[in-house]
This record gives sequence, structure tokens and C-alpha cells, in this order.
Amino acid sequence: GENVEQHPSTLSVQEGDSAVIKCTYSDSASNYFPWYKQELGKRPQLIIDIRSNVGEKKDQRIAVTLNKTAKHFSLHITETQPEDSAVYFCAASMAGANNLFFGTGTRLTVIP
Amino acid sequence: NAGVMQNPRHLVRRRGQEARLRCSPMKGHSHVYWYRQLPEEGLKFMVYLQKENIIDESGMPKERFSAEFPKEGPSILRIQQVVRGDSAAYFCASSPRGDPHFGNGTRLTVT
Repeated sequence: GENVEQHPSTLSVQEGDSAVIKCTYSDSASNYFPWYKQELGKRPQLIIDIRSNVGEKKDQRIAVTLNKTAKHFSLHITETQPEDSAVYFCAASMAGANNLFFGTGTRLTVIP
Repeated sequence: NAGVMQNPRHLVRRRGQEARLRCSPMKGHSHVYWYRQLPEEGLKFMVYLQKENIIDESGMPKERFSAEFPKEGPSILRIQQVVRGDSAAYFCASSPRGDPHFGNGTRLTVT
């Protein structure tokens, strides 16, 4: 089955700096890669996703890149703000597959 | 659209009791997924259901856990004879085709 690894497990940045979270996956058949943000005590919320026919996708301060050859994908947050502080999860699946395989999460702290 | 609705938000059970967790998917969504999240950990897939069918239960413990998604009504995750190790947040997600949206979860505490 699919195995998703995520690094780092914790990340602290100064407000205004950039944050990068990286994930690798094992199953070359995976072609859908969403990212979720989870604030303390709340549900995971989809913030951005990318499919395997695209190498990069951007939405305001958030971007995701995908390297299918190397089987890794990354989340980039620019101009970080304190409200970006949360746990971020990457995931991978095959389109139409039964479930998402999640990484173990990255706790991002943005220091004002 | 009210989103994925889960209830109760918090559930306390004594060891040996039964826990029933409910999930109403978003309108128009026929796929339901259950995930478990232990404190400070990621989300672990448990089961995937469509109406009246269990499609994939490879993440479900072999004993005490069951799930259903009847033709009418919410999906139910049932845990019999709960133990302390069952204490976790249980999230339900629904989708029309494969990119799930999560509910607010049920936090189960076993005392």
C-alpha cells in the first residue's frame, strides 16, 4: 500500500518568512495530493491540492509543487502570518480510490 | 449546504460500554470515510462506505468495531466494549467522488 512520509514534524518561523513542508510517497500510481490544515481541536480543512498532470499550483500565499519522478511534493507558504499556525497534513491517493493516505503532520508555529 | 455533520462532538464512555458515532454526509455525497486520530498523531483510515455497502474496511480493527451507511439516515461507527485505547478523535469525511471533506469529529473519551 501507499506510504506517505512528511518532514519536518515541527517548524517554527518568524512572521513574514516562508515555510516549506515536504512529503514523499511510495506508490507511483498515486495521482492526487491534497494538503489539509488542522487547527487545535478542529477538523482538517482542505487548503490546496494538486493532481499528477500539474507540476505546480498556487493560491495566493500557498503553493504546492509535485515531482512525480522523485515521488515527492511540497507545500510552500510565503509571508507567513500567526493565523497560519496549525498542523498541516499531506496526503496521497489514486483518483477514484477508496481513501487518502496521510502523512504524520507538521506543526507550524509562526512567531509574531 | 451544511457540510459534514457529526454527533456527538464529545462522548464519554466507561470501559466495556458501547460507543455510537454518527455522521451525516454533505448533500449529494454518497461516499463516506471514517478516520481515527490519536492525540498528537495523524489521521488513520478506518473504513470507506457507500450507501448500504462497505467498500473498504482494511483499516478497521478486526474486533469490536463496525460501520454502516444505511439507505436512509446517517453513517454509524459502532465500537463495542470500549477500552481506554479507543480514546481518540473520530473524523468522518464525505465526497462525491474522492476528495473528502471532513466533519468536526467526535472526541471519544473512555474512562
